[in-house]
Amino acid sequence: KAGVTQTPRYLIKTRGQQVTLSCSPISGHRSVSWYQQTPGQGLQFLFEYFSETQRNKGNFPGRFSGRQFSNSRSEMNVSTLELGDSALYLCASSLLRESDEQYFGPGTRLTVT
Amino acid sequence: GENVEQHPSTLSVQEGDSAVIKCTYSDSASNYFPWYKQELGKRPQLIIDIRSNVGEKKDQRIAVTLNKTAKHFSLHITETQPEDSAVYFCAASEGTYKYIFGTGTRLKVLA
Repeated sequence: KAGVTQTPRYLIKTRGQQVTLSCSPISGHRSVSWYQQTPGQGLQFLFEYFSETQRNKGNFPGRFSGRQFSNSRSEMNVSTLELGDSALYLCASSLLRESDEQYFGPGTRLTVT
Repeated sequence: GENVEQHPSTLSVQEGDSAVIKCTYSDSASNYFPWYKQELGKRPQLIIDIRSNVGEKKDQRIAVTLNKTAKHFSLHITETQPEDSAVYFCAASEGTYKYIFGTGTRLKVLA
């Protein structure tokens, strides 16, 4: 069974631009969560989607948004990029509705200059 | 909101010794506690998890203990090996599809 995939793997953007990251979950998984990983802050929860609905959201500004498609693939968008948005963005998928084992993708390394 | 504190931030042990990493959570409704291992440049991978109706769980050299009263849970690695060197993250979830992670512990196993 193929694992969680994320595209692109690396991205360099300029302040003020916007970016869209993509995540394809494991086949059959309907829950997709997004995290921001930085050296000082660890993994911080962005949001979680199940069956195209956002069920929970972390403490990030409205510049961070996401969506999920009917095939469970998910995208996250960051508008008006700031230098502090430079991070590794990880998505994770899980099978069941309740808290359950999450499988992480390899991440997208975003650098904002 | 929910908060998870993890200690220590770095831990060095001699090969063959045991390593213990501790986490404290704030939300008493938390009921699921996974531990992830992240090697350099790789994705986090689940190594063990525990639910609130269990006090201890073991898997070979790895064990996790949970004290719901004190809101503590710990990861224990026995007979450490160089390949155990990585960053370990604890997390807590109260069932609302939101996982709160600790800030990580960098474990170094010295040969």
